[in-house]
Amino acid sequence: DVKVTQSSRYLVKRTGEKVFLECVQDMDHENMFWYRQDPGLGLRLIYFSYDVKMKEKGDIPEGYSVSREKKERFSLILESASTNQTSMYLCASRPHGRVGGTGELFFGEGSRLTVL
Amino acid sequence: AQTVTQSQPEMSVQEAETVTLSCTYDTSESDYYLFWYKQPPSRQMILVIRQEAYKQQNATENRFSVNFQKAAKSFSLKISDSQLGDAAMYFCARGGSWGKLQFGAGTQVVVTP
Repeated sequence: DVKVTQSSRYLVKRTGEKVFLECVQDMDHENMFWYRQDPGLGLRLIYFSYDVKMKEKGDIPEGYSVSREKKERFSLILESASTNQTSMYLCASRPHGRVGGTGELFFGEGSRLTVL
Repeated sequence: AQTVTQSQPEMSVQEAETVTLSCTYDTSESDYYLFWYKQPPSRQMILVIRQEAYKQQNATENRFSVNFQKAAKSFSLKISDSQLGDAAMYFCARGGSWGKLQFGAGTQVVVTP
């Protein structure tokens, strides 16, 4: 089974802190994604990566950055956390590149971040 | 922006009954995938069913089936013989380039005994 592991299920941080959310997948997937989930808004794409050291902005990249130094690991970074970044963050991965494959995403369990 | 719309924030169904969740989407592509994901209270998103746009036949997975109307850009999910374990948030999603999925706002399914 594909396993996508997010390092923390619950985090509480202070405004202005630097926050790292880590995601690791064990299926050698090329593509990895960070989504933010908010009630009434569904999931919105923050950043994605189609290969090591490659990254692309999603729909809501402001206030976030990412790092992908190894194929299995994709980190989301909040340089200076703000209260409006309180949310659920979901990491996902999928095999293959731009074309081909089934398109299905495999998700981690999510990280609930609260910024005070 | 290309969007996915789920117009029902919540749907209630009795055990053993059938419920249909609606989804409409926008796209300029001719070939794409559509998905329904389930998110139970434990939060792990699980794929329920997948439809390839070039296939005219509606996908079916056990008690879950879809009604895919490509011209109308509609992709509804039918849950038959509902069970308590079907209670969850259901998200409709459209696949795009690089495997990016565009999600709807979700529909909460409540199953009553």
